[in-house]
Amino acid sequence: LAKTTQPISMDSYEGQEVNITCSHNNIATNDYITWYQQFPSQGPRFIIQGYKTKVTNEVASLFIPADRKSSTLSLPRVSLSDTAVYYCLVNPGNMLTFGGGTRLMVKP
Amino acid sequence: DTAVSQTPKYLVTQMGNDKSIKCEQNLGHDTMYWYKQDSKKFLKIMFSYNNKELIINETVPNRFSPKSPDKAHLNLHINSLELGDSAVYFCASSRGQGANQPQHFGDGTRLSIL
Repeated sequence: LAKTTQPISMDSYEGQEVNITCSHNNIATNDYITWYQQFPSQGPRFIIQGYKTKVTNEVASLFIPADRKSSTLSLPRVSLSDTAVYYCLVNPGNMLTFGGGTRLMVKP
Repeated sequence: DTAVSQTPKYLVTQMGNDKSIKCEQNLGHDTMYWYKQDSKKFLKIMFSYNNKELIINETVPNRFSPKSPDKAHLNLHINSLELGDSAVYFCASSRGQGANQPQHFGDGTRLSIL
């Protein structure tokens, strides 16, 4: 299974754009890149998924370069409620392997 | 309505006891999972079921036995509980087994072994 590396923590302020980059150097051809968000005392929540180039939904954008060895989750204009742990996953099939995630702290 | 619901939310029990955690999903999904999240927040898959059949069984002690009476339910029974079993256990479901199928998680069961 491809291993992912992402920053342990990040700080931001309300209204800023936040970009969290994930490295996955040994990503396989079949692997999708998926991001989940987890609040304290809750289960992870699916944010966005992509295979290549760019994906955008109402919550975030996901940028994937051509070599697919990294990806960047972009959260526009964060608010205090975006404080959470964000997990980057690269998995074939449904064998989800979660790493330590990035703890995002949004400050007023 | 809660999509994936787990009961109980908290479970405190003595070492050596047997306990069960229940999970139900009302999303009409075919695939269900159990995960364990330890104190360092790493989430590891334990089991995966598709249409009531076991498809993934990671290296988990055989004291842990999942049971799926129908595809909307996946319960987890744990025998002879040990201190190291203390963790948060999450149930999840997805529409299918494909890599592009997002998983929906419950809010977890916090198991504490005394």
